[in-house]
Amino acid sequence: QQQVKQSPQSLIVQKGGISIINCAYENTAFDYFPWYQQFPGKGPALLIAIRPDVSEKKEGRFTISFNKSAKQFSLHIMDSQPGDSATYFCAASKGQAGTALIFGKGTTLSVSS
Amino acid sequence: DAGVIQSPRHEVTEMGQEVTLRCKLISGHNSLFWYRQTMMRGLELLIYFNNNVPIDDSGMPEDRFSAKMPNASFSTLKIQPSEPRDSAVYFCASRRNYEQFFGPGTRLTVL
Repeated sequence: QQQVKQSPQSLIVQKGGISIINCAYENTAFDYFPWYQQFPGKGPALLIAIRPDVSEKKEGRFTISFNKSAKQFSLHIMDSQPGDSATYFCAASKGQAGTALIFGKGTTLSVSS
Repeated sequence: DAGVIQSPRHEVTEMGQEVTLRCKLISGHNSLFWYRQTMMRGLELLIYFNNNVPIDDSGMPEDRFSAKMPNASFSTLKIQPSEPRDSAVYFCASRRNYEQFFGPGTRLTVL
């Protein structure tokens, strides 16, 4: 019940295309769903996050879509750029502040020019 | 504001030696998390603290690992004795409310 399953493991997208990464969770108590971006040699950086009271959140080219009934959420990167090439992690946690984030295994995105 | 600060950034040591990794939280944050990242196992939570109190250390691999948080802004992760299989990148992260921010990591190599 604590797992967050992320797919695909790796993704290759053409410059200008849409990158889509999916995550699924089991624990219905989760109510915070962030996405992290990690470049080689760096720590994961918070990219965008959503709470389950909305079905979509957009920040620039990055959009989270959330489906509470299906217990799934996804990251969409519009107009993907070579600079977006990185590893992306989804995560989830319960409502109380101070509980641990449960991370997916990560997706390595390569955007070809 | 300064982000999470970790030291050292790189550590190379020999098997059997003691290793101490250090982390300084973002001011005002009250939760501290230690993670280990490897290619094989991904990002693993080792232990976390709320308000200086250890909450969950179930991810600490063995008794060779210990973590302390002597005050609200600082934490250490100690490995004694170190083994080659401990080689990994160790991250700490600090959190206030929901948002969690990672440090740059310490790359540990145990020969």
